[in-house]
Amino acid sequence: GAGVSQTPSNKVTEKGKYVELRCDPISGHTALYWYRQSLGQGPEFLIYFQGTGAADDSGLPNDRFFAVRPEGSVSTLKIQRTERGDSAVYLCASSSRDRGHTGELFFGEGSRLTVL
Amino acid sequence: SQQGEEDPQALSIQEGENATMNCSYKTSINNLQWYRQNSGRGLVHLILIRSNEREKHSGRLRVTLDTSKKSSSLLITASRAADTASYFCATSGGSNYKLTFGKGTLLTVNP
Repeated sequence: GAGVSQTPSNKVTEKGKYVELRCDPISGHTALYWYRQSLGQGPEFLIYFQGTGAADDSGLPNDRFFAVRPEGSVSTLKIQRTERGDSAVYLCASSSRDRGHTGELFFGEGSRLTVL
Repeated sequence: SQQGEEDPQALSIQEGENATMNCSYKTSINNLQWYRQNSGRGLVHLILIRSNEREKHSGRLRVTLDTSKKSSSLLITASRAADTASYFCATSGGSNYKLTFGKGTLLTVNP
């Protein structure tokens, strides 16, 4: 596709369940980012991939959160034992810039996670 | 943590008026970007200004950067109802690959 694609667009789950959120970046973009946006706030950085490796995962709030990008394209954000505080919009972005040149990020529409 | 803070938090104007939003940040930057977010949608990049630039224009947008005051402003001229959205500034600093966003300004343009 032409843009960053995220699925599902909405996910409602129960406390304690496991959730996977998927991101399909723009073809050829080597840099991929996950951000989390709570209501009324700006996006907060979670993790950055350059190719297949997580170059910076310092924004992941705790060890319940994990992300992979095994082939350097599609990425999956995994949340174990979800808590109500995990409810937010999870945004994925990609960029054609390699490490050391932060330019424009292209964002997907986000996955809205609601934990009941 | 969020680096930038936009001011005002909310702004309501009439169509045709100019809208000015400000952003302040705390640490040194390589560049500063502005993004727009329509309600319930993803963010769209508007403009990027590098730390060695003072002003930049793109269509109806004008961005200024004052690194001595660690602040930036976004001016939208001749606003339209379609400009109604949240506007975020984002800074890129020492790590150079990570953007840090502010809390945003909610702009409402009344027809």
